[in-house]
Amino acid sequence: QITLKESGPTLVKPTQTLTLTCTLSGFSLTTGGVGVGWIRQPPGKALEWVALIYWNGDRRYNPALKSTPFVSEGNSANQVVLTLTNVDPLDTGTYYCAHSTVAARAGFDYWGPGTVVTVSS
Amino acid sequence: QSVLTQSPSASGTPGQSVTISCSGSTSNIGTNFVYWYLQLPGTAPKLLIYRNHQRPSGVPDRFAGSKSGTSASLAISGLRSEDEGDYYCASWDDSVSGVVFGGGTKLIVL
Repeated sequence: QITLKESGPTLVKPTQTLTLTCTLSGFSLTTGGVGVGWIRQPPGKALEWVALIYWNGDRRYNPALKSTPFVSEGNSANQVVLTLTNVDPLDTGTYYCAHSTVAARAGFDYWGPGTVVTVSS
Repeated sequence: QSVLTQSPSASGTPGQSVTISCSGSTSNIGTNFVYWYLQLPGTAPKLLIYRNHQRPSGVPDRFAGSKSGTSASLAISGLRSEDEGDYYCASWDDSVSGVVFGGGTKLIVL
């Protein structure tokens, strides 16, 4: 059974670095074809794709973001870490991580429950 | 401003049919698959349609996806109150080498 769960701080100050962790269960990023994406949703607004990492280390980022994202494997094979540097209040929202595959690049078939992040001084 | 364009809202009464549209361009919908998600209030999105028209296990056949050129549609038949929520389309975009979402369509079941 595939599950994902996001964790991280709920409050971050502007210009600081935000680090979120996605803990995977039922699959591993070392499995061929697997990807993990990060998607966020500002309060009351639409979904916005942030980043993707694939089993082979391929990383993709949303070029429209003002903050600079970086996605990597965590300390264990069942973790994916999203880092956003120089955050802005516009980065406030719910952050989701989700399972994908290279064969379905915009298809996220399993999602975590999301974690709420507020960027404010 | 989302890359994919959706109407902000749609509505219907129980039992009726409704269609939600998603408009893109040659770099996304025109050359890549379309995916549809349903987000119920306060919950994470759920995949409804993949690869334009395929339904994941558990999604009823009341939901049907289609694609033509640079546009896609999600048709919902036999509307139920539990269908009320926000519907998003998504696709891969070759010009940004990433995922693009629509702005979402809020479906209201009257």
